[in-house]
Amino acid sequence: GEDVEQSLFLSVREGDSSVINCTYTDSSSTYLYWYKQEPGAGLQLLTYIFSNMDMKQDQRLTVLLNKKDKHLSLRIADTQTGDSAIYFCAEETGGYNKLIFGAGTRLAVHP
Amino acid sequence: EPEVTQTPSHQVTQMGQEVILRCVPISNHLYFYWYRQILGQKVEFLVSFYNNEISEKSEIFDDQFSVERPDGSNFTLKIRSTKLEDSAMYFCASTLGLAGQETQYFGPGTRLLVL
Repeated sequence: GEDVEQSLFLSVREGDSSVINCTYTDSSSTYLYWYKQEPGAGLQLLTYIFSNMDMKQDQRLTVLLNKKDKHLSLRIADTQTGDSAIYFCAEETGGYNKLIFGAGTRLAVHP
Repeated sequence: EPEVTQTPSHQVTQMGQEVILRCVPISNHLYFYWYRQILGQKVEFLVSFYNNEISEKSEIFDDQFSVERPDGSNFTLKIRSTKLEDSAMYFCASTLGLAGQETQYFGPGTRLLVL
């Protein structure tokens, strides 16, 4: 079945770049998403990429997609303490576009 | 900016009781979803709903669960007889359509605690 895997934890220094990686299984996924979840809060859509793209840049965020390896990454440039959160990768699948989420990567930003 | 809203934000109930979680999707959206997140675990798909009927459901969505769109604005998830393992954060989501760049917008969630 569909599955999405992510590393569980990443610690970076403020000002450095963060790279969060994700692998997925459904090669027919049209869109892949990154959501951010702060403690006790809901899911905030950060960015998404269409499956025929290799890269998408949106301000400090860069998404890279390697469709052959089914690998997705999210790079956050100049990481700030406010970026500390859990980041979920999700693939869209099925006829009604349900989302399959990874377990989330907890990003900790330290001074 | 339009947003998905959910009520209540927190609910505590006794095992075996019925609960109804409420969602107001974005007004012109046509597709609706429920997801849940058990504490510390993945967000899991429960059910999708379109044109007043369930379009897809997961294995989690058994006979204890039901969904309804009782009027033009609300979308509800009912758990008939809650179990301890139903304790989770429940997220509602909606999207305008399935084609193009129609992303799902999530509500803030309802935290359900079953005692």
